[in-house]
Amino acid sequence: GIQVEQSPPDLILQEGANSTLRCNFSDSVNNLQWFHQNPWGQLINLFYIPSGTKQNGRLSATTVATERYSLLYISSSQTTDSGVYFCAVETGTYKYIFGTGTRLKVLA
Amino acid sequence: KAGVTQTPRYLIKTRGQQVTLSCSPISGHRSVSWYQQTPGQGLQFLFEYFSETQRNKGNFPGRFSGRQFSNSRSEMNVSTLELGDSALYLCASRAALNTEAFFGQGTRLTVV
Repeated sequence: GIQVEQSPPDLILQEGANSTLRCNFSDSVNNLQWFHQNPWGQLINLFYIPSGTKQNGRLSATTVATERYSLLYISSSQTTDSGVYFCAVETGTYKYIFGTGTRLKVLA
Repeated sequence: KAGVTQTPRYLIKTRGQQVTLSCSPISGHRSVSWYQQTPGQGLQFLFEYFSETQRNKGNFPGRFSGRQFSNSRSEMNVSTLELGDSALYLCASRAALNTEAFFGQGTRLTVV
């Protein structure tokens, strides 16, 4: 089955710094989403981005489907950005395959 | 617009018991899927339903089952609970294939 790898696994930043999270996948995908898991466990939608580039405030994402990767950019990070970021992909089988996540900690 | 609602939020059960979790999707969404999250295995797919039909099932034992009702609400059941079933169970809904999925707040199950 498809493999989803996220890097880095852990990231510690000073408030105000920028970061790039990467998601590599091993096969063609129909769908790709980025999520932020809050401390209570809920997955918060960041981007639905099977291809192309999107921006939402300080966050932006790019998916290059032909090269099988997606990037999540966080600019001017804040302590509230801390948490785990997941990439999830779907190949038309009605299920998402999740990466192992990037754990981000932003220090004040 | 109300989001995905999962009940209960927290649950403590004893080994050998069974449990039923509920998920109400966003109004108009007909696809509901379930995921299990554990520290060791990460987020894993359990099953997906669309218009009361199971379209895919993950690699879990038969003790895990689910169903979807005509109003798109879904339930999952775990029988003969084991300690390893302790996890966060997440439900997602979406309108159709190739649309954005939205997750509920999850049910945290502890088996003692």
